Amino acid sequence: RKEVEQDPGPFNVPEGATVAFNCTYSNSASQSFFWYRQDCRKEPKLLMSVYSSGNEDGRFTAQLNRASQYISLLIRDSKLSDSATYLCAASRGGSTLGRLYFGRGTQLTVWP
Amino acid sequence: NAGVTQTPKFQVLKTGQSMTLQCAQDMNHNSMYWYRQDPGMGLRLIYYSASEGTTDKGEVPNGYNVSRLNKREFSLRLESAAPSQTSVYFCASRLQDLNTGELFFGEGSRLTVL
Repeated sequence: RKEVEQDPGPFNVPEGATVAFNCTYSNSASQSFFWYRQDCRKEPKLLMSVYSSGNEDGRFTAQLNRASQYISLLIRDSKLSDSATYLCAASRGGSTLGRLYFGRGTQLTVWP
Repeated sequence: NAGVTQTPKFQVLKTGQSMTLQCAQDMNHNSMYWYRQDPGMGLRLIYYSASEGTTDKGEVPNGYNVSRLNKREFSLRLESAAPSQTSVYFCASRLQDLNTGELFFGEGSRLTVL
């Protein structure tokens, strides 16, 4: 089983819609969580770190549910420019300190 | 600002040929990583270097070797390329090999093995 699992989508939503992605992780020792954004044929870039209490950055909200071992990303008022692939990532401590595991990515297309 | 620079950006090899992917970062980061990205597979860690002088295997190290030449540079070598190594390779770095901290990626190197 992969360390981090994501629904690959694609998600196709109209401008202005709210869309949510979930990501599950298999190892309960995972300690830090991230959402990265990757545009077509480009490198991934950090979108948000995910904190235990949840965090918000403008139209983006990330939440962590340790009991169910999933993280989520909510995008409100979707823009055309939000079209991209969203990768979730988790890292754990111990002997694999810092090693970051990525999900396969969820593809989002926002249409006018 | 250069950030993480990878060369070459594109390469076509024949089966059995060797090549080295170069990566350099100018952010004074301690930790560097090599990932490969394949359709439907996401990013998979090949090797990483937590600090200068150390390297460790990731999820898919077979067929690759790495060298942490100095703090700035981390190279990935394919000794005998195979078609299964056709992929997009990303080098990344971050300040320290800790749980927190943003990973910065290079633009990627697209490798095709015929």
